[in-house]
Amino acid sequence: QKEVEQNSGPLSVPEGAIASLNCTYSDRGSQSFFWYRQYSGKSPELIMSIYSNGDKEDGRFTAQLNKASQYVSLLIRDSQPSDSATYLCAVNKGSSNTGKLIFGQGTTLQVKP
Amino acid sequence: GAGVSQTPSNKVTEKGKYVELRCDPISGHTALYWYRQSLGQGPEFLIYFQGTGAADDSGLPNDRFFAVRPEGSVSTLKIQRTERGDSAVYLCASSRTGRETQYFGPGTRLLVL
Repeated sequence: QKEVEQNSGPLSVPEGAIASLNCTYSDRGSQSFFWYRQYSGKSPELIMSIYSNGDKEDGRFTAQLNKASQYVSLLIRDSQPSDSATYLCAVNKGSSNTGKLIFGQGTTLQVKP
Repeated sequence: GAGVSQTPSNKVTEKGKYVELRCDPISGHTALYWYRQSLGQGPEFLIYFQGTGAADDSGLPNDRFFAVRPEGSVSTLKIQRTERGDSAVYLCASSRTGRETQYFGPGTRLLVL
């Protein structure tokens, strides 16, 4: 079992729809969770971070965390073609003395005009 | 301010050669990370520096890989006797401390022929 799992996709949604991206993780001690967006040929760019159970909203993006289910998700409202990218879920295993991130393989999102 | 910079942006080398990849973190960031990303995969952790010391090198795949950060700023990732399997994008990230948001550089694309 991978430490951080994502469906590789592609996930295809029409412009204006809600895109829902999901991620599960295996280490119950994980404390910090991040969503990065990566355009083709570019480096990862932070979209959202979340540390507590519940929802965190920032503009069109909402991150949801459920530690009991070891599940974190990212919702993108009013999806735009410019949102087409690979979305990487990353987890920091806070129980260790390192800030290293464990990444999932990423979900490719395609937003069709 | 300036972001994380990496040089070279691309490196082509022959199997068996030695390469050095350089990372210049955001000014004032004490934590520096190296990751490696293969096509279709998420970044894979290699090593984490806190200041000048390697706080976690558990991700280095073997003893051909070595990294230094002698003055607590610029870091160099060194790969000896390169193999074709080393071909990947090598990403550097920095954060203000060891547990805060990591900002990624543009990466170095390494191709071993």
